[in-house]
Amino acid sequence: AQSVAQPEDQVNVAEGNPLTVKCTYSVSGNPYLFWYVQYPNRGLQFLLKYITGDNLVKGSYGFEAEFNKSQTSFHLKKPSALVSDSALYFCAVRDMEGGNKLVFGAGTILRVKS
Amino acid sequence: DAGVIQSPRHEVTEMGQEVTLRCKPISGHDYLFWYRQTMMRGLELLIYFNNNVPIDDSGMPEDRFSAKMPNASFSTLKIQPSEPRDSAVYFCASNDRVRGANVLTFGAGSRLTVL
Repeated sequence: AQSVAQPEDQVNVAEGNPLTVKCTYSVSGNPYLFWYVQYPNRGLQFLLKYITGDNLVKGSYGFEAEFNKSQTSFHLKKPSALVSDSALYFCAVRDMEGGNKLVFGAGTILRVKS
Repeated sequence: DAGVIQSPRHEVTEMGQEVTLRCKPISGHDYLFWYRQTMMRGLELLIYFNNNVPIDDSGMPEDRFSAKMPNASFSTLKIQPSEPRDSAVYFCASNDRVRGANVLTFGAGSRLTVL
């Protein structure tokens, strides 16, 4: 069965500094990996995905993520954080053998302070 | 497109009452998912449909929960009878697996409070 771990409940970063939100995954086959963001009282919004190809994936709002197969990780990064990036971030994985089911991590709260 | 439409946005009810949550997926999407979000358990997949047919309902907590998709543009999640532990935000999401490259589009959610 596929699973995702987000080891940090919360990440705090100063505006303008780089940010990293960590994610590791476990699947039996090749993974499809995703990052979503949730703002207060809103649904989840898609940020980026890794299906195949380049290990560095670029997405919305200047975010990027690096797929590392040997470490089974898919960390979310941004070179310069904005206060408006403060939100709840979810990593998710779809197992190629698990149908179309997407399994989400527990989420990481990102707080960017000015 | 207006996106995935969920109703009601907020529901407050008393224990034992029936609750029906509604979802209109994006036109043309062939997959529909129901998720539940709580502080304790995070995001849980309850059930998903493909072309209106339930594919995996292993996440449905118990027999009090049921979901239907009578046509491609409408789905319901029903809880009968409701209990305080059912209080959560329920999200509906839809997906076009071929053209959408596995990206789910979520509705704004229905916040359920059972007293």
